[in-house]
Amino acid sequence: DAGVIQSPRHEVTEMGQEVTLRCKPISGHDYLFWYRQTMMRGLELLIYFNNNVPIDDSGMPEDRFSAKMPNASFSTLKIQPSEPRDSAVYFCATGSGTGRDEQFFGPGTRLTVL
Amino acid sequence: GENVEQHPSTLSVQEGDSAVIKCTYSDSASNYFPWYKQELGKRPQLIIDIRSNVGEKKDQRIAVTLNKTAKHFSLHITETQPEDSAVYFCAASLSGGYNKLIFGAGTRLAVHP
Repeated sequence: DAGVIQSPRHEVTEMGQEVTLRCKPISGHDYLFWYRQTMMRGLELLIYFNNNVPIDDSGMPEDRFSAKMPNASFSTLKIQPSEPRDSAVYFCATGSGTGRDEQFFGPGTRLTVL
Repeated sequence: GENVEQHPSTLSVQEGDSAVIKCTYSDSASNYFPWYKQELGKRPQLIIDIRSNVGEKKDQRIAVTLNKTAKHFSLHITETQPEDSAVYFCAASLSGGYNKLIFGAGTRLAVHP
């Protein structure tokens, strides 16, 4: 298995533009988590899904952020409009829901908003 | 809500020495405590975890201890090696790993040859 796949790996955009981050979970994993990592705020959970249904979105910073999981093999995190303070590394992580309680992280998307 | 504090923020040791990182949590209902390692420019990876019904768990050179009464848990690395150099994050959850993990701020460990 290729592991969790995220795209793009790097994104540079200008303030006000729409940004879409993508995640393909490990096949068979029922849980999908979106995290944001910054030096100031550390690693923060934004939202997570179970069986494609959002379970907890209390970490989504504001209405500019939205996330979807239309099927078991794809999720998106969208920022519209983007702001410089959104610059961060965004990780997607997935888990199987059985066995060890491990969340497998993707390689991350480094977002820079100018 | 849950809050996790982690100390120290940086730790420097000589190769072969032991390293200890400590975390405290606020919600006594938390029952799952994983530790993740993140090398520079890489993704976090789980290295060890412990549930609240266990006081200690060991995996080769790594061990985690949990004190539920005091609401703190610690990561112990023995015989440190340069490849242990990374940022280590503790976390706490109210209901296992497939739930909301609250992460500590991280500890940057440097192991000097």
